[in-house]
Formats: sequence, C-alpha cells, structure tokens
Amino acid sequence: DAGVTQSPTHLIKTRGQQVTLRCSPKSGHDTVSWYQQALGQGPQFIFQYYEEEERQRGNFPDRFSGHQFPNYSSELNVNALLLGDSALYLCASSTRMKSSGANVLTFGAGSRLTVL
Amino acid sequence: LAKTTQPISMDSYEGQEVNITCSHNNIATNDYITWYQQFPSQGPRFIIQGYKTKVTNEVASLFIPADRKSSTLSLPRVSLSDTAVYYCLVGDKASGTYKYIFGTGTRLKVLA
Repeated sequence: DAGVTQSPTHLIKTRGQQVTLRCSPKSGHDTVSWYQQALGQGPQFIFQYYEEEERQRGNFPDRFSGHQFPNYSSELNVNALLLGDSALYLCASSTRMKSSGANVLTFGAGSRLTVL
Repeated sequence: LAKTTQPISMDSYEGQEVNITCSHNNIATNDYITWYQQFPSQGPRFIIQGYKTKVTNEVASLFIPADRKSSTLSLPRVSLSDTAVYYCLVGDKASGTYKYIFGTGTRLKVLA
C-alpha cells in the first residue's frame, strides 16, 4: 500500500519563476494538506483541500495556490518565487473528519525547493 | 486556536526512558492530541494519539491528565536512532476539517 508520494524530490528555481509541486495521497485518503518547512523550523500550514476545494488556509500570500483533482491528488503552485520560499514542502493526506474523533496525517517525504 | 508549547531540546543516553511534555492550555473538547517524529529531510511520522488518560502502543506511551491541558510522550529505552524532532499537535477544527498547527518541536539527542 503506497503512502503519500511527492514529486519532484528536489528542484532549483530562480527568483520570479513559478513552481508546481505534486502530491498523491495515501490510498483511501481524500483530504490533502500542504505544509512549508524552513530549515530548523516546524512545518507551517499552507492550505487544505477536500472535495476539490480549498477548505482551510494558513497565513500565506495569494502567490501560493493549489488544486485537488477528482482522484484526490493535489498540486501546490507558487508564483513569483522569492528567496524566502526556499524550504521543504510537505504534503499530508488524511480522511475527512467526522463530527468527533481523531484524524491522523500521513506525510510524504517532501519536495526540497531552492530559490536562487 | 489551540497552541502547543514544548521544550526546545533534550539530551538522553541510550537505554534511558525519555519523557517529553507538551502544554496545550486551550485544547477544545473534541480535540485529540497527536505526536509525530521527524528525521532530517523527511516528513513527520505518526507516533501516537490519545484523548485522555493513558495510551500505549509498540513504540511509546502517552499520558494525558484529567484536565487535558498537557500531555507527556514517553519513549522507553531510547536508542541512537530515536534522535529526531518530536512534535505535539492539537487539532484546530474549523469548517468540519482539522488544521494541524505545528510548534517548534523538541529536538531529542540520544547519546551513546
């Protein structure tokens, strides 16, 4: 049973460029969340997708956008890259919450973005 | 918005029991407490989850007092491979889905 897969694993871009990162959730999961993790910091929540719509969003500018496809896979797009966007981008999948109960995130290995 | 507070770092020796405490004063009634482990350049990995009292699995135990404003992750007999960052998470429920907020985590270093 494949877990969360992310691509590419590493990429280098220059300032002002645009990047697209991809994520395939764990089998049986329908919700995808994206996190940005700068070196030495904890992951910061970017946004979450369920039923192909953005459901929640963290404190990130509109340059960060996403999409979820009917097969639950997801993309993260970042426009007008800044040096500060250099980070490990993590995708996590889960099942949608019920009115009560626990939810466990399954993370991918991440995509390491370097902006020069 | 539930936030968590953990010690920044801890050192231990192989074979010892390690206890990492997390404070979450604003935990909501329906929130669960989840702990993750992260190695460098990898995604966080689920360790254990609980709601109240004590939970134990094959790798750790989680102790949660009655007021649920804190929790303690207990790692029995740590080894060098347990050197990692440990995160305590409390779900922030909005619009029917959870948004998990990570803190800075606790850097555990296990010494030989």
